[in-house]
Amino acid sequence: KNQVEQSPQSLIILEGKNCTLQCNYTVSPFSNLRWYKQDTGRGPVSLTIMTFSENTKSNGRYTATLDADTKQSSLHITASQLSDSASYICVVSPNYGGSQGNLIFGKGTKLSVKP
Amino acid sequence: DTAVSQTPKYLVTQMGNDKSIKCEQNLGHDTMYWYKQDSKKFLKIMFSYNNKELIINETVPNRFSPKSPDKAHLNLHINSLELGDSAVYFCASSGQGRYNSPLHFGNGTRLTVT
Repeated sequence: KNQVEQSPQSLIILEGKNCTLQCNYTVSPFSNLRWYKQDTGRGPVSLTIMTFSENTKSNGRYTATLDADTKQSSLHITASQLSDSASYICVVSPNYGGSQGNLIFGKGTKLSVKP
Repeated sequence: DTAVSQTPKYLVTQMGNDKSIKCEQNLGHDTMYWYKQDSKKFLKIMFSYNNKELIINETVPNRFSPKSPDKAHLNLHINSLELGDSAVYFCASSGQGRYNSPLHFGNGTRLTVT
């Protein structure tokens, strides 16, 4: 069964600290893996998309890694800011076609950054 | 300039009523989607439209009917609302034929059925 598991469920860190969020998946075949940030009361916003051949991608203070062999990904946040408080959702696409309607979503990690 | 906009943002209604949620995107995308996010924050696909044609219809009660008057709009009509329909509904869009293009989400419509 295609699944995406994220850990931890929630995380509290102090402003300025780094943190790493984990994503394990059992999706096959694999096309790409995405990380989204969802602020409270808003829609998810794309942070990174990685295909099979990519093992790291950065977007500012966000760096995602992908190990397609072990089917694991991580999202590392450097020098956290209060505005990083949000849910971070890992999404895996098993599709090579144009439609993305069968994306597999994780339940997200809720990150709280405290001053 | 909002890329994907949904209205209304909040919708409170009673069981048995019929309601609609509107969605518009100005990104020139060919594919639009409706997602449901339940109380556990899990996002589930409901429908996917490509160039006004339905291409994905997950196991959703037929009380839910999407309508796409043109490729920039995908509205969601819900008949005979039930308590279990309470959730946040997100509209999204993506570029055609680009399997690794990101989804662009609206900010959601929080539906509360009393």
